[in-house]
Amino acid sequence: SQTIHQWPATLVQPVGSPLSLECTVEGTSNPNLYWYRQAAGRGLQLLFYSVGIGQISSEVPQNLSASRPQDRQFILSSKKLLLSDSGFYLCAWSVIRDDTGELFFGEGSRLTVL
Amino acid sequence: GQNIDQPTEMTATEGAIVQINCTYQTSGFNGLFWYQQHAGEAPTFLSYNVLDGLEEKGRFSSFLSRSKGYSYLLLKELQMKDSASYLCAVLDSNYQLIWGAGTKLIIKP
Repeated sequence: SQTIHQWPATLVQPVGSPLSLECTVEGTSNPNLYWYRQAAGRGLQLLFYSVGIGQISSEVPQNLSASRPQDRQFILSSKKLLLSDSGFYLCAWSVIRDDTGELFFGEGSRLTVL
Repeated sequence: GQNIDQPTEMTATEGAIVQINCTYQTSGFNGLFWYQQHAGEAPTFLSYNVLDGLEEKGRFSSFLSRSKGYSYLLLKELQMKDSASYLCAVLDSNYQLIWGAGTKLIIKP
């Protein structure tokens, strides 16, 4: 069966510090991978998605970046965090060429920038 | 622009029935999802509708009317564990998911 893991689960970082959130998927190959952010009381905001190794699409201009060094690994990074980067970050995967588009989410990472 | 509307919060009594509505305006339509999200946790899949009508799955049912841009999630025999946020999401013509802000459902004994 397929599983998805992301870490760390909780992070408290000062403004201007770097960020690295990691996500790995097991039990499937060549998945679509996504990074979402969920601010309090708001819907899920798509940050990045990837259809393959080294292929990253950015949905929202910001100081975050994403990388996919391996087929089942997706990393969210920042060189300098802003207060507005605080939120709940979710990694997700879906099957490529699956018209239903169903997403499977990781456990989530709560980031607080102080 | 693309828009998904659902109530911010609803309250219901244990054992009762509650209907959570969702209206959408998107560029194209390739299906509508309902997800459940408990506080501090990731969303989990509940249902997927792509054709008009009612899909029943145990205590939960989801309805879709594409001509009206409307869906609802019906929860029967409410249990305390159903207290959660319910997210409506539409798959647009580019197969991108557009998310509503979610409806926080509070269940009272």
